[in-house]
Amino acid sequence: AQSVTQPDIHITVSEGASLELRCNYSYGATPYLFWYVQSPGQGLQLLLKYFSGDTLVQGIKGFEAEFKRSQSSFNLRKPSVHWSDAAEYFCAVGVRSGGGADGLTFGKGTHLIIQP
Amino acid sequence: NAGVTQTPKFRILKIGQSMTLQCTQDMNHNYMYWYRQDPGMGLKLIYYSVGAGITDKGEVPNGYNVSRSTTEDFPLRLELAAPSQTSVYFCASSDRDYSYEQYFGPGTRLTVT
Repeated sequence: AQSVTQPDIHITVSEGASLELRCNYSYGATPYLFWYVQSPGQGLQLLLKYFSGDTLVQGIKGFEAEFKRSQSSFNLRKPSVHWSDAAEYFCAVGVRSGGGADGLTFGKGTHLIIQP
Repeated sequence: NAGVTQTPKFRILKIGQSMTLQCTQDMNHNYMYWYRQDPGMGLKLIYYSVGAGITDKGEVPNGYNVSRSTTEDFPLRLELAAPSQTSVYFCASSDRDYSYEQYFGPGTRLTVT
């Protein structure tokens, strides 16, 4: 079964600084990969996704992520964070095959705090 | 489009009571899912459906039941509520054949006391 690890439970970044949130996955084949963001009391909003092709994917709100097969990683980056980026970020893995559960497997999340 | 809607937003249940969490989507998606989110634990899949009349268990199905009589609706039933079912519940849908992206509802916060 696939699994997702987000090693950082909390990250604090100054406003205007760059950001990188780490995500490692375990899966026997190339999965499809997602980053979601959750603001307090809200549902999950998709930031970006990777299915195939270019390993650097662009998302909404100025975020990007890079798929590195050799490292089984899909790290999320932003060159300059804004106070409104403070939220919970989830990395998720999906299985490409049609059999079994079609739901996503989520990491435990990284809580992003923005310092003024 | 409203996307995925869930009702109620909040609910407090006593141990042993039952309730149904409602989920509706207006995107004509075949695939629908129920997740629960516990603090610090991410989301875990409870049940999913690949179309009307077809449902299957996810990772944590015990204590829950689902049905899918229409494409739009995917209610989650809690029978004999227990404190361990205190959680935030999210419904999601996807047009898996096209994008695999899952669209989430705003969630239902359930407390069982």
